[in-house]
Amino acid sequence: DAGVTQSPTHLIKTRGQQVTLRCSPKSGHDTVSWYQQALGQGPQFIFQYYEEEERQRGNFPDRFSGHQFPNYSSELNVNALLLGDSALYLCASSLERERRETQYFGPGTRLLVL
Amino acid sequence: GNSVTQMEGPVTLSEEAFLTINCTYTATGYPSLFWYVQYPGEGLQLLLKATKADDKGSNKGFEATYRKETTSFHLEKGSVQVSDSAVYFCALLYGKLTFGQGTILTVHP
Repeated sequence: DAGVTQSPTHLIKTRGQQVTLRCSPKSGHDTVSWYQQALGQGPQFIFQYYEEEERQRGNFPDRFSGHQFPNYSSELNVNALLLGDSALYLCASSLERERRETQYFGPGTRLLVL
Repeated sequence: GNSVTQMEGPVTLSEEAFLTINCTYTATGYPSLFWYVQYPGEGLQLLLKATKADDKGSNKGFEATYRKETTSFHLEKGSVQVSDSAVYFCALLYGKLTFGQGTILTVHP
């Protein structure tokens, strides 16, 4: 049973560029959430996707956007990158019918903005 | 809004010592509570959870009890091992996961 996978594992970008991160949920899971974890901090909720729509959003600017595909995989896009966007980006998947009670995390994508 | 507060770290223990990591929360409703562990260079792994008051979550020798009256979910282990060295996050789920700032645990042989 494949767990949550994310790609790429590491990424280096420069300020002003755009980036796309990808996530494949655990088999059978239909809900995907994205989190940003700055160095030495706890993860912060960015947004959550279910049935290809953004259902809930944290306190992040519109530069952060996402998408969910019919196969439940998801992308996180960040435009106009800032130095402060450097972080570990985590994807978590869960089941709507279990009220998203347990979220399984992927290994993350480490983004460095120079 | 909802929030989670964990005890300040880092915590350094000798092998076989008793571990407690304090966690308190503020929530408008009745959240589920979780402990996640993060090993160096890795993502988060669910350690244990409790979904209602007085529930006790347990896994790999770790335990935590959901205390509604004190809004707490303290993590305990009777005898830590070097392999338990990691960062531990307390979290609550009320629509979305809200995490504490994490507590670094280092266990020496």
